[in-house]
Amino acid sequence: DAGITQSPRYKITETGRQVTLMCHQTWSHSYMFWYRQDLGHGLRLIYYSAAADITDKGEVPDGYVVSRSKTENFPLTLESATRSQTSVYFCASSDPGRTDTQYFGPGTRLTVL
Amino acid sequence: AQKITQTQPGMFVQEKEAVTLDCTYDTSDQSYGLFWYKQPSSGEMIFLIYQGSYDEQNATEGRYSLNFQKARKSANLVISASQLGDSAMYFCAMRGTGTASKLTFGTGTRLQVTL
Repeated sequence: DAGITQSPRYKITETGRQVTLMCHQTWSHSYMFWYRQDLGHGLRLIYYSAAADITDKGEVPDGYVVSRSKTENFPLTLESATRSQTSVYFCASSDPGRTDTQYFGPGTRLTVL
Repeated sequence: AQKITQTQPGMFVQEKEAVTLDCTYDTSDQSYGLFWYKQPSSGEMIFLIYQGSYDEQNATEGRYSLNFQKARKSANLVISASQLGDSAMYFCAMRGTGTASKLTFGTGTRLQVTL
């Protein structure tokens, strides 16, 4: 049972380039989320999705684009990467229920030079 | 809007001792959920324990328990019989009502277990 996976695990890119981070889950969870983790800020929500073709902004959406054509995939694209987007990116998924517990992928460490 | 506050940036505890990690929250919602996650040095986020605002009893999961004091808006994590493998960052998080399962996280507490 693979659960939730992210690729790549590490990425180095240059300012201005487009980068896509992939997220795939095998649980058929309806909700999926993208967070970024920076020192001193904990995790902050970038975008989330309640179902295929339904996405919405989180706390820090500027500079990011998401899509969700299939329930299991939720890619995050940085259209024109900036140094301030250097961070660790986590994808998570959850299913509506009593707890709505989110389960996280292993993270992608992105460095923008 | 929800807010989570973790006032302890770092803590030390001796092996086999118990330790309490503090978490206070702010919300106007009546129904909400509180979560604790562990992040070891390897980087993954591991779900530990959940407490619902209407749960009458404090949540427990093995050596983890959540000391939930609703009137004080606190949800402290208690780890009993600490082990070296408990050394990690610990994050408190909250889900409010009608928030599409979104979580608000605190800034975390780094726990170091010593011999």
